[in-house]
Parts: sequence; structure tokens; C-alpha cells
Amino acid sequence: DQQVKQNSPSLSVQEGRISILNCDYTNSMFDYFLWYKKYPAEGPTFLISISSIKDKNEDGRFTVFLNKSAKHLSLHIVPSQPGDSAVYFCAARYGTASKLTFGTGTRLQVTL
Amino acid sequence: NAGVTQTPKFQVLKTGQSMTLQCAQDMNHNSMYWYRQDPGMGLRLIYYSASEGTTDKGEVPNGYNVSRLNKREFSLRLESAAPSQTSVYFCASRIRGTGSDTQYFGPGTRLTVL
Repeated sequence: DQQVKQNSPSLSVQEGRISILNCDYTNSMFDYFLWYKKYPAEGPTFLISISSIKDKNEDGRFTVFLNKSAKHLSLHIVPSQPGDSAVYFCAARYGTASKLTFGTGTRLQVTL
Repeated sequence: NAGVTQTPKFQVLKTGQSMTLQCAQDMNHNSMYWYRQDPGMGLRLIYYSASEGTTDKGEVPNGYNVSRLNKREFSLRLESAAPSQTSVYFCASRIRGTGSDTQYFGPGTRLTVL
């Protein structure tokens, strides 16, 4: 049972445009959400996070939006740059030991 | 400050062989985690250690054992490797601060079981 879903396996966006990556979850007990970026042959790198008590968090070109009623979050990258090309994972935290459940990832390609 | 380090980077085993994946962090984090990543799937939690001296099962613990050797080191052992354990293994450690809760990942170990 996939509790965190990223339904778009891939996304292609032109440089300078907005990239929007989506994530849906089913477990109401998730209380913290994170986005990770992963390049080939490297470990995931933390990008941005949001607590379930907020609906938006911004860090430079990256903004994460959380819609609790829809159990949906999204990552906006503006403007997109070629270096943003990577696989993006959405993750949700549960439990006192901060265990994470990951989505299957979305491969973003930013074209010139 | 190396962050989270993992050894080896690559390993090929035959079915039934055993091996230990090593992980160390120099960030003074209390919690450490082992995940595996398979094609088309997200990272799945194998085992975790919330603090030194404690370990607990995650989502996919079968076929694995762990040891939290000290605060810095958390190892993952495959006692009798199976082809289904072919995967990329990531170790992570966690920092928890005011308003944040983030896991930091190592570079991974790519394991092939023939």
C-alpha cells in the first residue's frame, strides 16, 4: 500500500519556466513533509520541508505548498535551471522516531 | 566534516554469502537509518536506530540485521544474501532542531547478488 504517491514519473520543463512537482498521501498521521533531490550515483539531498501546521514554505527558488484537506503537496521551482535536472522524492514523516515514507520519485529534466 | 559516509561503494556477492555494510556520521546525530532503493520504487526503511543502544525494524527488515556500534556508526548485515537483496542501500542520520527535522543521506552502496 503506497501511502505517498508521485503519479508523474517524469516531467520536462524549459529553462526559466516554472516546474511543479506533485505528491499525494493517504495517511492522516503524517505530520511533516520533505522534498529530496537525487542525482545519479549520489545519495538524496535535502531540499525543503514543511510542517503539517503550515500551508507554505519558501526557500529561494523553491516553494512547497501543503493542502491538508486534499492530502496533497507540491514543489514549485521558479525559475527552473538546467542544474535542477534530477529525480525528486517526496517524503512524509511519521512516528516518534521520525521514520520517513518516500514516494517513487519524479524525474525532472530542464531543457535549454 | 564528511557528513555520512558508507563503505563499500559497490559489492557483488554470490547467493548465500554474507557481508556487512558500514555507515558512519560525524555530525553528532542521535538517530540513524538504513534504506534500500529499488528501480521504480521510493526508498524503503529497513532498520533504524533512534538513539545509541537502540534499534528497531522498519518496513522491510527481513533478511537483515543491524548494529549500532556507537553514536557514530550503524552497520547493516546480510547473513545469507539473496538475489532479491540486489539494491542500492542508503544510510542516513537525523538532526532535529527548532522547526526542522531532516535526515541526511550517505552516497549509497550498490549491491548485486548473483
